[in-house]
Amino acid sequence: GAVVSQHPSRVICKSGTSVKIECRSLDFQATTMFWYRQFPKQSLMLMATSNEGSKATYEQGVEKDKFLINHASLTLSTLTVTSAHPEDSSFYICSARDREETQYFGPGTRLLVL
Amino acid sequence: GQSLEQPSEVTAVEGAIVQINCTYQTSGFYGLSWYQQHDGGAPTFLSYNALDGLEETGRFSSFLSRSDSYGYLLLQELQMKDSASYFCAVSTGFQKLVFGTGTRLLVSP
Repeated sequence: GAVVSQHPSRVICKSGTSVKIECRSLDFQATTMFWYRQFPKQSLMLMATSNEGSKATYEQGVEKDKFLINHASLTLSTLTVTSAHPEDSSFYICSARDREETQYFGPGTRLLVL
Repeated sequence: GQSLEQPSEVTAVEGAIVQINCTYQTSGFYGLSWYQQHDGGAPTFLSYNALDGLEETGRFSSFLSRSDSYGYLLLQELQMKDSASYFCAVSTGFQKLVFGTGTRLLVSP
């Protein structure tokens, strides 16, 4: 099946710093990628839809200036958490949609902001 | 708003059959998916129903009734490795997925 990777898998940072998370589709081209956030023992919440070559579409309540998304190529989308604070600590998961419109999820990135 | 309700936890023994229900209320509906997620891991796709009826994939089956806004995931011949969280998700349009509250399945020997 299709493979989606994320890097890093874990990151610990100080409050106020920025963190970049990469999402790559390894064996297929993805015109659309999605970014989710999941708090412990809770469901996945869609943050934004990332389209290659255009601006991301953010869900209601998600600050676009805080969560910067760039989809520079058909295989790479990045999420930058700017000026991270402890409340941003979470599990961030990306997914990529293939031509059959199936979403494949990355392994997730666990962010801890101290 | 949009909501997908699932039981929070289900317990069963190895070899048993368990059903995880999902009722949904969404602004759009193109299909119902099911995902499995082990602790600390990413969701793994299990099945998808766009039309009413039962879809079978090995030990897992999924059912959908669009008129009732209801679906379920049926797991047969349970194994210890099936202990995980299971999420239903509705495709609402523009390829977006809205996830359910999640059900934690605990399989005991």
